[in-house]
Amino acid sequence: QTVVTQEPSLTVSPGGTVTLTCASSTGAVTSGYYPNWVQQKPGQAPRTLIYSTGNKHSWTPARFSGSLLGGKAALTLSGVQPEDEADYYCLLYYGGAYVFGTGTKVTVL
Amino acid sequence: DVQLLESGGGLVQFGGSLRLSCAASGFTFSSFAMSWVRQAPGKGLEWVSTITGGGDRTNYADSVKGRFTISRDSSKNTLYLQMNDLRAEDAAVYYCAKEGSLKGDFDHWGQGTLVTVSS
Repeated sequence: QTVVTQEPSLTVSPGGTVTLTCASSTGAVTSGYYPNWVQQKPGQAPRTLIYSTGNKHSWTPARFSGSLLGGKAALTLSGVQPEDEADYYCLLYYGGAYVFGTGTKVTVL
Repeated sequence: DVQLLESGGGLVQFGGSLRLSCAASGFTFSSFAMSWVRQAPGKGLEWVSTITGGGDRTNYADSVKGRFTISRDSSKNTLYLQMNDLRAEDAAVYYCAKEGSLKGDFDHWGQGTLVTVSS
C-alpha cells in the first residue's frame, strides 16, 4: 500500500516562511506524479492551491509556491498571513489512482 | 461559475446501500473527469474514485473496489457514486470534485454530503 507522508504539524510566525514536504513510499516524487496541494480550513470544503508541481489557480495567493525538493514535493508559504492557518494535503498521481498525503496542520502564531 | 452540489447522504445500516449524486453546472460536464473524495470525521482526505469525461474509464481506491461504482449521466450533468455493502469505515463526508486539465487538479469541489453508517 502506497503511503504519502507529510509533516504532521508546523508552526510559523506571521510574515514568516514555512516549507511543507510530501514524500512517497515508492521513492522520489517527480513531476510525473503531478503533485497537487490542497488547503482545507475548519468546516470548509477543500480547495486546490497548486497543481502539477508548481502551477497556481487564479485564486491562489502569490505567497504560495510549489516545487520539487530533494525527492519530495514541496509547498512554500512566504510572508505567511493569519488566514493561512489550515490543513494542507498533497495529492500524488499513481497511474490511474491518487493518494492524498497524511496532511500538515499549519499554525500561525 | 462552476457549481457542484452533492446530495444523497444520510444514515444507513451496516451492509446497506446508498447512492450519492453530484449535480454539476457552469462547465461542459462531459469534457472533464470527475472524482469522489471522502473525509472521515477528524481524519484526512481519501481519494475514492475517478471517472473520465466520456465515462469510459474508471478507477477506484482499493478500500472501495468491488463495493462502490462511479458513473455519470451527461444528459443530466450529474455524477453518481453507488455504494454497496457499507462498512463503519465508509462513514465520512463525501466530496465530488471536478478535474482540470492536468492529473489530480481538482479545481473545483462541492460542499460535501455526510454518510453515517450504523450497526
